[in-house]
Amino acid sequence: DAGVIQSPRHEVTEMGQEVTLRCKPISGHNSLFWYRQTMMRGLELLIYFNNNVPIDDSGMPEDRFSAKMPNASFSTLKIQPSEPRDSAVYFCASSFVGVEYGYTFGSGTRLTVV
Amino acid sequence: DAKTTQPPSMDCAEGRAANLPCNHSTISGNEYVYWYRQIHSQGPQYIIHGLKNNETNEMASLIITEDRKSSTLILPHATLRDTAVYYCIVRDPAGNAGKSTFGDGTTLTVKP
Repeated sequence: DAGVIQSPRHEVTEMGQEVTLRCKPISGHNSLFWYRQTMMRGLELLIYFNNNVPIDDSGMPEDRFSAKMPNASFSTLKIQPSEPRDSAVYFCASSFVGVEYGYTFGSGTRLTVV
Repeated sequence: DAKTTQPPSMDCAEGRAANLPCNHSTISGNEYVYWYRQIHSQGPQYIIHGLKNNETNEMASLIITEDRKSSTLILPHATLRDTAVYYCIVRDPAGNAGKSTFGDGTTLTVKP
């Protein structure tokens, strides 16, 4: 398996623009997580899905952020409009629901909003 | 999920064992201990996990105290490539699995 695949690897955008980050989990995994990492706040859980259903989005910073998982093999995290403080590395991870396996993380998307 | 406490940094000589401690005094009976590491600019990498017994795999060993309030990750022969931030977390996989909170971790520096 190619692991968790995230795209793009790097994104530079202007303030106010819409940004869409993409994630393909490991085939067969039915739990998906979006994390954000900054120097100031470390790794923060934004939202997670079990069997394509959002379970907890309490970590989503504000209404400008939204996430979807239309099927078991694809998820998006959208920021609209983007702001400079959204600059961070965004990681997607996947795992199995209800069992003790660890998470597999993607390589991340480094977002810079100027 | 219970919170964990780790020292902010540790050094280790190349070829020696690296022992990374973690305190999780409020761990509940159903919560497992997990270790991950993050090498600069990469995604976190799962290392090992355990419930109450000691565990070993090709990467590391995990020693969990009998009362489960602390654990130690052991890298038996550290190499320069083991320099990374190591995170200890606890979670109940049957519960609110998404609430895995990554703290600040321990920055391990392996020196030649």
